[in-house]
Amino acid sequence: DGGITQSPKYLFRKEGQNVTLSCEQNLNHDAMYWYRQDPGQGLRLIYYSQIVNDFQKGDIAEGYSVSREKKESFPLTVTSAQKNPTAFYLCASSADRDAHEQYFGPGTRLTVT
Amino acid sequence: RKEVEQDPGPFNVPEGATVAFNCTYSNSASQSFFWYRQDCRKEPKLLMSVYSSGNEDGRFTAQLNRASQYISLLIRDSKLSDSATYLCVVRGYTNAGKSTFGDGTTLTVKP
Repeated sequence: DGGITQSPKYLFRKEGQNVTLSCEQNLNHDAMYWYRQDPGQGLRLIYYSQIVNDFQKGDIAEGYSVSREKKESFPLTVTSAQKNPTAFYLCASSADRDAHEQYFGPGTRLTVT
Repeated sequence: RKEVEQDPGPFNVPEGATVAFNCTYSNSASQSFFWYRQDCRKEPKLLMSVYSSGNEDGRFTAQLNRASQYISLLIRDSKLSDSATYLCVVRGYTNAGKSTFGDGTTLTVKP
């Protein structure tokens, strides 16, 4: 089955700790994205990558970091510098930067206390 | 002002009703438009793209009005399974690959 996987589904961390969220896709897509969703709100773009070894900041990149060493993987690190990290994090991919449809993973719910 | 604005609702309608959602966008250079559906605590999934000529997929019709900078989604003969949040998504030409999401409109279809 082709698709995007994110793990874990739920993640709990103490304030001050960095945490890395996993995102893997086997769709052979070039472009990958990380979004954050807060209750009652739409998705906000954190980082995106259009090709391996390249990524750009989205609208709310502060306190986050990413890497794109492999085409199929785009992990997101939520650092202790992110002031309000508790949120629903969604990873997506598209065939390329011009592709219409983005395919989303099931998401990771991060709770920081 | 938000780049993409939707009426949050909620829209509560009986089964069989027709319901319409609107979405306005502020960037006149926007090129591509979509409606995504998101079920509670799940990931969004593409419902349909929106073309200038309007497009229909079964009970769903999407329309684009570039002059007034809005898109719409019409759902006919609502089903219980249509209950979800509908997200309006806009992509610009200069930021190919970057999409801006509205906050969503929540629809509840009741028996």
